[in-house]
Amino acid sequence: DTGVSQNPRHKITKRGQNVTFRCDPISEHNRLYWYRQTLGQGPEFLTYFQNEAQLEKSRLLSDRFSAERPKGSFSTLEIQRTEQGDSAMYLCASSFGRASNQPQHFGDGTRLSIL
Amino acid sequence: AQKITQTQPGMFVQEKEAVTLDCTYDTSDQSYGLFWYKQPSSGEMIFLIYQGSYDEQNATEGRYSLNFQKARKSANLVISASQLGDSAMYFCAMRGNTGNQFYFGTGTSLTVIP
Repeated sequence: DTGVSQNPRHKITKRGQNVTFRCDPISEHNRLYWYRQTLGQGPEFLTYFQNEAQLEKSRLLSDRFSAERPKGSFSTLEIQRTEQGDSAMYLCASSFGRASNQPQHFGDGTRLSIL
Repeated sequence: AQKITQTQPGMFVQEKEAVTLDCTYDTSDQSYGLFWYKQPSSGEMIFLIYQGSYDEQNATEGRYSLNFQKARKSANLVISASQLGDSAMYFCAMRGNTGNQFYFGTGTSLTVIP
């Protein structure tokens, strides 16, 4: 168990470019979550997968954002036509099962900076 | 709607003293879970402690304990015998009945003074 892994750790890009982040959850975890965290705030929920199915999306997730988890293992989060307001830390978390006492285990995040 | 409120943006505590970080929540769910996470300056979110809405006893994990007052909808984190390494942001979070979302507060920045 190597924990939740996110790549890259940092991404700097110009406004208007597309970016893609990857998350590898803990291997036996069937639930995967994406969050966005801006400075001084707590993580904000973006989307949730149970296995390969994307079951919930936040209204924060505009149509420029898309997430996939093709085989129920790793997940990608893509942002198209990036904007200044997309600058944030993007966190991935995973958990196992449905019991409400199961905590989410977080990766170290990908910090996105839009120039 | 679910909401977590942390009213202390920053707290200071002397090393070896105890400190309480406040958290109140709002939910209409009967079944829910409350979590505390620590986020050091390095950025990773570290799970500390969990309290279920039906748990009658307050949760404890080492130096961490959760003061759960269901009627007041509060779930305060108590850190005993503070250490310098406890300096970090602390987030209270709630998982509702569906379990599909975690709702986080805005966090409390804790500084432990030597």
